[in-house]
Amino acid sequence: NAGVTQTPKFQVLKTGQSMTLQCAQDMNHEYMSWYRQDPGMGLRLIHYSVGAGITDQGEVPNGYNVSRSTTEDFPLRLLSAAPSQTSVYFCASSYRAYSRTTLNQETQYFGPGTRLLVL
Amino acid sequence: AQSVAQPEDQVNVAEGNPLTVKCTYSVSGNPYLFWYVQYPNRGLQFLLKYITGDNLVKGSYGFEAEFNKSQTSFHLKKPSALVSDSALYFCAVRDSSGDTGRRALTFGSGTRLQVQP
Repeated sequence: NAGVTQTPKFQVLKTGQSMTLQCAQDMNHEYMSWYRQDPGMGLRLIHYSVGAGITDQGEVPNGYNVSRSTTEDFPLRLLSAAPSQTSVYFCASSYRAYSRTTLNQETQYFGPGTRLLVL
Repeated sequence: AQSVAQPEDQVNVAEGNPLTVKCTYSVSGNPYLFWYVQYPNRGLQFLLKYITGDNLVKGSYGFEAEFNKSQTSFHLKKPSALVSDSALYFCAVRDSSGDTGRRALTFGSGTRLQVQP
């Protein structure tokens, strides 16, 4: 298994440009999510999905869109990049626990990250 | 609302000495607690978790953590530190009574562990 993969590894954008950060997993995980990591702030949840066709907002969703057309892929779109979106972006996935006996499956696995610089 | 506090930005320890990285949490229900490690320019790697059961949890690379409900703490420990343990460590929590679909982890701000030879 490749696990969780993210592309690109690094991107420079100008203010106002749009782009899509790609995330894919090959573990058949139902749950996928996007976080951003900023210095001294840990990771903050942007959007998440509990399965194909289902997405919802996290803690900091403004300026980002997501879609989940397949179980494997969960792209994150920046509609009009702003300097405040300069950050490191991580995608994560996990099984969705349906009962207490499957709770141990809910560990989230993270991709290697995309470093984004918006000028 | 759920929250995590990692009170130390950096912990310095000599190789071979025991190490502790502190974490306290706040949730309204029962917590699910996690530790992740991040090496430079890498993603987060899962170390260990507490879901239910024994308060002492053993994880990867010789790390362990003790869940203390009365003190709302989940400190990460290792009996003998290695230089290769130097990295950024994140504690995370999820409220078990919340919307299970959301599965949102709340992370602490991270603690940088520096192990000196």
